[in-house]
Amino acid sequence: QKEVEQDPGPLSVPEGAIVSLNCTYSNSAFQYFMWYRQYSRKGPELLMYTYSSGNKEDGRFTAQVDKSSKYISLFIRDSQPSDSATYLCAMSGRSGYSTLTFGKGTMLLVSP
Amino acid sequence: DVKVTQSSRYLVKRTGEKVFLECVQDMDHENMFWYRQDPGLGLRLIYFSYDVKMKEKGDIPEGYSVSREKKERFSLILESASTNQTSMYLCASSLYAGEETQYFGPGTRLLVL
Repeated sequence: QKEVEQDPGPLSVPEGAIVSLNCTYSNSAFQYFMWYRQYSRKGPELLMYTYSSGNKEDGRFTAQVDKSSKYISLFIRDSQPSDSATYLCAMSGRSGYSTLTFGKGTMLLVSP
Repeated sequence: DVKVTQSSRYLVKRTGEKVFLECVQDMDHENMFWYRQDPGLGLRLIYFSYDVKMKEKGDIPEGYSVSREKKERFSLILESASTNQTSMYLCASSLYAGEETQYFGPGTRLLVL
């Protein structure tokens, strides 16, 4: 079983839709959870960061972590064509060197 | 804002050449990382460094080496480039051990012919 599973997509939605992106993981030691957005031919940029379980909201973006189910989600409200990108989940539980385990990314396409 | 820069956006090299990829961060971060990103395989950690002159192997170090002579600069070296090293190379940094958030550079697309 892979440590982090993420559906590669593509996920195609119309402008204005609510988007749900998800990752599952197997390592119960993970405590830090991140979402990165990566536009084509660019480096990933940090979108959301959460620690342990719960929700975090930032504008149109909401990150949810359910540690009991080993499941994390990113919701995008009122999606825009500019949200079209690949979304990577990342997580870590180790102290010390702070290396991250990444999902392979979900490609999102928002059509006008 | 954290800025991570990489010396080249695109590189074309020949098989057997020695290749240097440079990364510089301007926020006094302790940790620096090199990844490669390939379709279907995602991001894979090659090497990382948590201090000057220190390095640790990641998941796929074979065929690569690194150098960190100054805190702000982390170099990835392909001693003898091969076609299977054609990839997107991403550098990242984080503030210190225990700070999980990593900041990425724009990437270098390397083509080895």
